[in-house]
Amino acid sequence: GAVVSQHPSRVICKSGTSVKIECRSLDFQATTMFWYRQFPKQSLMLMATSNEGSKATYEQGVEKDKFLINHASLTLSTLTVTSAHPEDSSFYICSARGQTSGQETQYFGPGTRLLVL
Amino acid sequence: KQEVTQIPAALSVPEGENLVLNCSFTDSAIYNLQWFRQDPGKGLTSLLLIQSSQREQTSGRLNASLDKSSGRSTLYIAASQPGDSATYLCALLNQAGTALIFGKGTTLSVSS
Repeated sequence: GAVVSQHPSRVICKSGTSVKIECRSLDFQATTMFWYRQFPKQSLMLMATSNEGSKATYEQGVEKDKFLINHASLTLSTLTVTSAHPEDSSFYICSARGQTSGQETQYFGPGTRLLVL
Repeated sequence: KQEVTQIPAALSVPEGENLVLNCSFTDSAIYNLQWFRQDPGKGLTSLLLIQSSQREQTSGRLNASLDKSSGRSTLYIAASQPGDSATYLCALLNQAGTALIFGKGTTLSVSS
């Protein structure tokens, strides 16, 4: 089946630094990629939607200047958390949507655990 | 605004029991509904996908139903096993939307 990878799987950083998370669709072209954030015991909350080659659409309450999203190709999207603070510590999950076996489906990455000290 | 609610938030059962997880949503104009499994600290595994025109889907010991008119979906797990212990998330795609909207999940613990 289709696979979406994320790198890194875990990252610990100091407050004030920037962290980049990569999301790749390994065997299909992702026309749309989504970034979700999940706090402990909470549901996944959509942060932003990105289409290849265009600017991301951010959900209400998500700062676009803090969470930079680049969807440079049909197989790669990156989320950069700029000037990270402890409250940004969370589980970040990307999702890629594309055509596989003639059907449009959405696949999820394994997630990235971010801890900001 | 679409809201997805899952009840109960947590459930503990002995091995072998049949159980039902509930998901309700406020707007019946959905495109499809999915059930996912999430193990602690891990990503999501898709279990079942029900299109808006369907009433149920089955995979092994899992059966998911969808009743759009009442805004409800259930996930039935037969003969539960300790390996079923995980958080089960319900998510749906609105007809007008592009991204899945998730419930908070039900954390299931099956004891041997």
